[in-house]
Amino acid sequence: DVKVTQSSRYLVKRTGEKVFLECVQDMDHENMFWYRQDPGLGLRLIYFSYDVKMKEKGDIPEGYSVSREKKERFSLILESASTNQTSMYLCASTVVGGRLGGYTFGSGTRLTVV
Amino acid sequence: GESVGLHLPTLSVQEGDNSIINCAYSNSASDYFIWYKQESGKGPQFIIDIRSNMDKRQGQRVTVLLNKTVKHLSLQIAATQPGDSAVYFCAETPGYSTLTFGKGTMLLVSP
Repeated sequence: DVKVTQSSRYLVKRTGEKVFLECVQDMDHENMFWYRQDPGLGLRLIYFSYDVKMKEKGDIPEGYSVSREKKERFSLILESASTNQTSMYLCASTVVGGRLGGYTFGSGTRLTVV
Repeated sequence: GESVGLHLPTLSVQEGDNSIINCAYSNSASDYFIWYKQESGKGPQFIIDIRSNMDKRQGQRVTVLLNKTVKHLSLQIAATQPGDSAVYFCAETPGYSTLTFGKGTMLLVSP
């Protein structure tokens, strides 16, 4: 069974901390994505990557950065966590074009910044 | 914990009823559409997709209808079961761009 695995289900971090959210996929997908999901706002794209070492800003990149050193791994970095970054973070991946069934999502990481 | 279902439109049905969930999409250039299901504590899961050269596609107990004239997508679930209770999202994309997701509808199925 193909999988997108997010390293943590729940995280609690303090304001100002540097936070790393890790995502690994075992499907040899080229494209990987980070979304945040908030009540009433749906899924909003933070960053995505079409290939190793490549990254593109999504709709809400401010306060975030990403790293893709290997094809299977896509990391989301909160440089200095703030309370407004408390959210559910979802990682996804897809083949080039993403038209065969869309994205495969991980189970999410619920981050609380205190 | 906090639910993604807060503030969402909600459809409540009885077990065995047919459910219809609607979605208005925004981009007239979109040519590929997907429905996702998200159960509590899980990531969204693919249900069914449809391309713009079709107006209907059927899966197992689910049917997606596409009306490009009014930019409307619907998901029909036959003989709804308690296990169908979840948040349902539509998603659209023009060409080979990233997906844009709707805000979702919560489906509640009572036994």
